[in-house]
Amino acid sequence: AQRVTQPEKLLSVFKGAPVELKCNYSYSGSPELFWYVQYSRQRLQLLLRHISRESIKGFTADLNKGETSFHLKKPFAQEEDSAMYYCALSGQAAGANSKLTFGKGITLSVRP
Amino acid sequence: NAGVTQTPKFRVLKTGQSMTLLCAQDMNHEYMYWYRQDPGMGLRLIHYSVGEGTTAKGEVPDGYNVSRLKKQNFLLGLESAAPSQTSVYFCASTSGRGAYEQYFGPGTRLTVT
Repeated sequence: AQRVTQPEKLLSVFKGAPVELKCNYSYSGSPELFWYVQYSRQRLQLLLRHISRESIKGFTADLNKGETSFHLKKPFAQEEDSAMYYCALSGQAAGANSKLTFGKGITLSVRP
Repeated sequence: NAGVTQTPKFRVLKTGQSMTLLCAQDMNHEYMYWYRQDPGMGLRLIHYSVGEGTTAKGEVPDGYNVSRLKKQNFLLGLESAAPSQTSVYFCASTSGRGAYEQYFGPGTRLTVT
């Protein structure tokens, strides 16, 4: 079974502060990890995926297989980063890679 | 190119009533999904489809049925609505196996009284 844990429900920071949104996963095989974001009044959209190893809107995330983590980081938060963030996992086993398992999400609030 | 659309946007039902939510995508995607989003619970997969004419159960399928008669449409049915089905429902699609970016619809807010 695959499971994604986002231990915090809310993170509130001031503009310019560093941000780290935590994500831990459980999966017996080799997972694909993603971060999705939902801005206010917008639909859910992909922010980044570990396989592409890119920085999007200043956010990065590194897959740590030893710690089974995929934390999302940004050195300097902006007000426009305020949103709901979901960590998601897709397995590579047959049948598993047609589905995503989402964590419960975390609300990031960036104050001016 | 509208992407993924959902009908209706809002609906209020009385307990025991039935309804169908429609999801349509114009991206020629093979895979389609229905999720529900509840506070503190995140997104949970209800049912999904890996192609026209096929459906499969997700994490929380009870009380829902689905059909994928046409590739571009994925219908979610509630035969006898219950207050526990009050939620925001999202549809998503992706091009196929190995293409992990899911494209989401705007959501349907359903209230069951």
